[in-house]
Amino acid sequence: KAGVTQTPRYLIKTRGQQVTLSCSPISGHRSVSWYQQTPGQGLQFLFEYFSETQRNKGNFPGRFSGRQFSNSRSEMNVSTLELGDSALYLCASSFTTGVGEQYFGPGTRLTVT
Amino acid sequence: GESVGLHLPTLSVQEGDNSIINCAYSNSASDYFIWYKQESGKGPQFIIDIRSNMDKRQGQRVTVLLNKTVKHLSLQIAATQPGDSAVYFCAEGRMGRRALTFGSGTRLQVQP
Repeated sequence: KAGVTQTPRYLIKTRGQQVTLSCSPISGHRSVSWYQQTPGQGLQFLFEYFSETQRNKGNFPGRFSGRQFSNSRSEMNVSTLELGDSALYLCASSFTTGVGEQYFGPGTRLTVT
Repeated sequence: GESVGLHLPTLSVQEGDNSIINCAYSNSASDYFIWYKQESGKGPQFIIDIRSNMDKRQGQRVTVLLNKTVKHLSLQIAATQPGDSAVYFCAEGRMGRRALTFGSGTRLQVQP
């Protein structure tokens, strides 16, 4: 069974631009969560989508948004990029929402210059 | 690969020894706890979880201990191997919610 895939793996953007990251969950998984990982703040929860609905949201500004499609693929968008948005963005999928094992993808490394 | 933290506490052990990684969690309302392993260039990998109605759970070569009184979680790895070298994170959450809060991580280095 293929794992969680994230595209692109690396991205360089300029401050003020916007970016869209994509996540394809494991086949059959309906929950997709997004996390931001930085050396200073560690791993922080962004949001979770289940059956195309946002179920949980972390403490991030409104510039961070996401969506989930009917095939469970998910995208997250960051608008008006700031230098501090440079991070590894991780996507995790699971069969259900709530608890249980989540499978993480390799992440997208975003660098904002 | 991606760096997960420049100043992580590091635990260095000899191959074959047992390792104990500790974690203090912050929210007394948390009732679900997970340990993850992250190798360079990869996303976190699930190791083992435990619910708050338990104080111990065992997996293959790993044991998680939960002390709710002092809000402490530990991961014990038996017969540590070089392949165990990675950064280990504990995470806490609430049943029914996906929003996990992660600890800052501990780097485990296994010396051959």
